[in-house]
Amino acid sequence: DAGVTQSPTHLIKTRGQQVTLRCSPKSGHDTVSWYQQALGQGPQFIFQYYEEEERQRGNFPDRFSGHQFPNYSSELNVNALLLGDSALYLCASRQGQGVRSAFFGQGTRLTVV
Amino acid sequence: SQQGEEDPQALSIQEGENATMNCSYKTSINNLQWYRQNSGRGLVHLILIRSNEREKHSGRLRVTLDTSKKSSSLLITASRAADTASYFCAPWNTGFQKLVFGTGTRLLVSP
Repeated sequence: DAGVTQSPTHLIKTRGQQVTLRCSPKSGHDTVSWYQQALGQGPQFIFQYYEEEERQRGNFPDRFSGHQFPNYSSELNVNALLLGDSALYLCASRQGQGVRSAFFGQGTRLTVV
Repeated sequence: SQQGEEDPQALSIQEGENATMNCSYKTSINNLQWYRQNSGRGLVHLILIRSNEREKHSGRLRVTLDTSKKSSSLLITASRAADTASYFCAPWNTGFQKLVFGTGTRLLVSP
């Protein structure tokens, strides 16, 4: 079992560009959440997908969007990148909408220059 | 706010000592989860304690929960250098259906 896999591991983008980050959940998991973690801060919840729909959303602008595919994998898209979008982006998966712990990927380090 | 707040923000101890970190929260919960994050990597689930439990053990970890005070503590006994990491608590409420994290406790265990 590969656990939660994220790609790419590192990424450098220019201000104003668009970026797509990818996440494959742990086998058997159907709920995927995305988090943004700035240096020295805790992970901030961006949104959560279940059954290919966005179910929960944190306090992030519409520049942040996502998608979940029928195989439960997910993408996070960020448009019009700002320097402040530089962060570690974490994907977490779990099974269903019940009370279960989450499994995290190793993250994608995004640097906006 | 759903998120927990960890205290202290930073903790520095020697190998072999015990480390205690605390978590306070404001909402009602169904359970509370603790996670560890090694520098720049993903979070790892450590332990989950349900709202009707007062104490739970897992290896060198001991977690307590006091729902009347809306607080929890994580004790790591006989700390090792490999325990150096940030530790986060995440109160869970079925109504919210999401994990929300605070700023964590940064633990440094020196050899």
